[in-house]
Amino acid sequence: NAGVTQTPKFQVLKTGQSMTLQCAQDMNHEYMSWYRQDPGMGLRLIHYSVGAGITDQGEVPNGYNVSRSTTEDFPLRLLSAAPSQTSVYFCASSSVGIGHQPQHFGDGTRLSIL
Amino acid sequence: AQTVTQSQPEMSVQEAETVTLSCTYDTSESDYYLFWYKQPPSRQMILVIRQEAYKQQNATENRFSVNFQKAAKSFSLKISDSQLGDAAMYFCAYRSGLTSGTYKYIFGTGTRLKVLA
Repeated sequence: NAGVTQTPKFQVLKTGQSMTLQCAQDMNHEYMSWYRQDPGMGLRLIHYSVGAGITDQGEVPNGYNVSRSTTEDFPLRLLSAAPSQTSVYFCASSSVGIGHQPQHFGDGTRLSIL
Repeated sequence: AQTVTQSQPEMSVQEAETVTLSCTYDTSESDYYLFWYKQPPSRQMILVIRQEAYKQQNATENRFSVNFQKAAKSFSLKISDSQLGDAAMYFCAYRSGLTSGTYKYIFGTGTRLKVLA
């Protein structure tokens, strides 16, 4: 059982480049989300999805796009990378059923924008 | 909108002693869940403990327990018999319940715990 898999683990981009961070889960979770983690700011929600075909913005969505064509995958796209997007990115998933459903996190992607 | 506040950027504790990490939150919802996550230097996010808002009994997981004060909107984490492996960043998190339809998690800014040998 792989859980939540994020790729790549590290990436360096130049300003203006675009790229996609991949996230896949094999737990049939309805809810998936992307966070960025910056020093002193905790985890801030970028985008989230409660099922295939359904996405919504979080706290810091500007500069990022997402789509959810399948239950398993939730890629995050940086359209035109900026130095302010240098961060560690986490993907997470959870069930939305009744009860205290905790999130399962991927191992993170460290992204540097030069 | 919901908010989560961790007012202690850093805490230290002697090995084998007890430490309490503070978390307060603000919400107008009645149905929600609260979590503590641990992030060691490996960067993994590890669930430590969880609490349903409708339960008055404080959650306990081995050496970890919470003091949930719903009226005060406080959710502190107590670590007993601290071990060197407890050194990590600890995040408090809030999740709306099923009735809200949003399922969003809101995280605090974290508390870095140092364990002194």
